Amino acid sequence: DAGITQSPRYKITETGRQVTLMCHQTWSHSYMFWYRQDLGHGLRLIYYSAAADITDKGEVPDGYVVSRSKTENFPLTLESATRSQTSVYFCASTELAGGPSRVDEQFFGPGTRLTVL
Amino acid sequence: QKEVEQNSGPLSVPEGAIASLNCTYSDRGSQSFFWYRQYSGKSPELIMSIYSNGDKEDGRFTAQLNKASQYVSLLIRDSQPSDSATYLCAALSSGSARQLTFGSGTQLTVLP
Repeated sequence: DAGITQSPRYKITETGRQVTLMCHQTWSHSYMFWYRQDLGHGLRLIYYSAAADITDKGEVPDGYVVSRSKTENFPLTLESATRSQTSVYFCASTELAGGPSRVDEQFFGPGTRLTVL
Repeated sequence: QKEVEQNSGPLSVPEGAIASLNCTYSDRGSQSFFWYRQYSGKSPELIMSIYSNGDKEDGRFTAQLNKASQYVSLLIRDSQPSDSATYLCAALSSGSARQLTFGSGTQLTVLP
């Protein structure tokens, strides 16, 4: 089915473990984003990617690593999880201006709820 | 740091009333603004976008933009209980990247 999916939807892990959150979109959108959402902070950008093999830091990148070897996938890795990384993580994508989708509308995945014990 | 501020809420309105949600932004270079609705436990969904000064209407929703005052608002007319959600204001960065800066959201409850 077309759209943007995230996996897993729920994850419980322990401090110090490596965790990878997956994001997959079927629209061939150029831009992809990772956000975290915490009570009182709204959505904060962790990393984004303008195209395959092009990534850049957002507002809160520390402790996270991303890669984008294929246009459709944008995994987010927590190299050594900490309790402060307990959050809901959203992946989003958008097309370049002038593309077939509405200009600059970001489409969000369903989210991954991560708990670090 | 570029910021987007929203009125703190929570906001409660009776069914059929007008709900008014407000937002200010700090990046004078921002040209595009968005309102997302987020139901509890769900992902944000876009309900309005606005790029020019003035009003933009879409059904029961009206977005207002005043770039001189760096102010964006969303009016919901004839509010329904199904409008109860958190509303997120977002501004597109003035740089080349398609980065959105979000406010912390305003929780709206429409009382039957």
